[in-house]
Amino acid sequence: KQEVTQIPAALSVPEGENLVLNCSFTDSAIYNLQWFRQDPGKGLTSLLLIQSSQREQTSGRLNASLDKSSGRSTLYIAASQPGDSATYLCAPYTSGSRLTFGEGTQLTVNP
Amino acid sequence: DAGVIQSPRHEVTEMGQEVTLRCKPISGHNSLFWYRQTMMRGLELLIYFNNNVPIDDSGMPEDRFSAKMPNASFSTLKIQPSEPRDSAVYFCASDGEVSGNTIYFGEGSWLTVV
Repeated sequence: KQEVTQIPAALSVPEGENLVLNCSFTDSAIYNLQWFRQDPGKGLTSLLLIQSSQREQTSGRLNASLDKSSGRSTLYIAASQPGDSATYLCAPYTSGSRLTFGEGTQLTVNP
Repeated sequence: DAGVIQSPRHEVTEMGQEVTLRCKPISGHNSLFWYRQTMMRGLELLIYFNNNVPIDDSGMPEDRFSAKMPNASFSTLKIQPSEPRDSAVYFCASDGEVSGNTIYFGEGSWLTVV
């Protein structure tokens, strides 16, 4: 059974900082891995999807990397803004478990 | 497309009552998922359908929970009878090759059982 761990659980930074969110997973036989954002009282929004054959994906100020063999992924956020404040969830996709979510990292970017 | 549409957005019901949650996936998506989110357990997959057929319902907590997908554009999750511990946010999501297998979530149905 896939298990996903996200570190840190919570993070508070001043505006403008670059930051890294970490995700580790136990079953490396994944098809892809997605990073999501969840705002309070809202659903999940997909930010980036990395295929198992890829090493990284970029979208604007976001960059996600994947090291499938070691079961790790990171989400890098450049020049953070208050609007980035949300919970970020990592979810590897396997044939058996489908998407398994981590507990998330709650990010607060202070103006 | 309007995205994944769920209803109701919020429901408060008394213990023992039947609850029906509804979902309309994104047109063209062939997989549909029901998730439950609580503070204690995070996001849990309850059941998923592929081409309207239930593939894995191992996450359904008890026989009180049932899900159907009568056609490609509609699914229901039913709880009968409901209990206070069923209080949670229930998300429906869909994906398919048309979206590059990126999964899209609805806004959720916020259920409170009193």
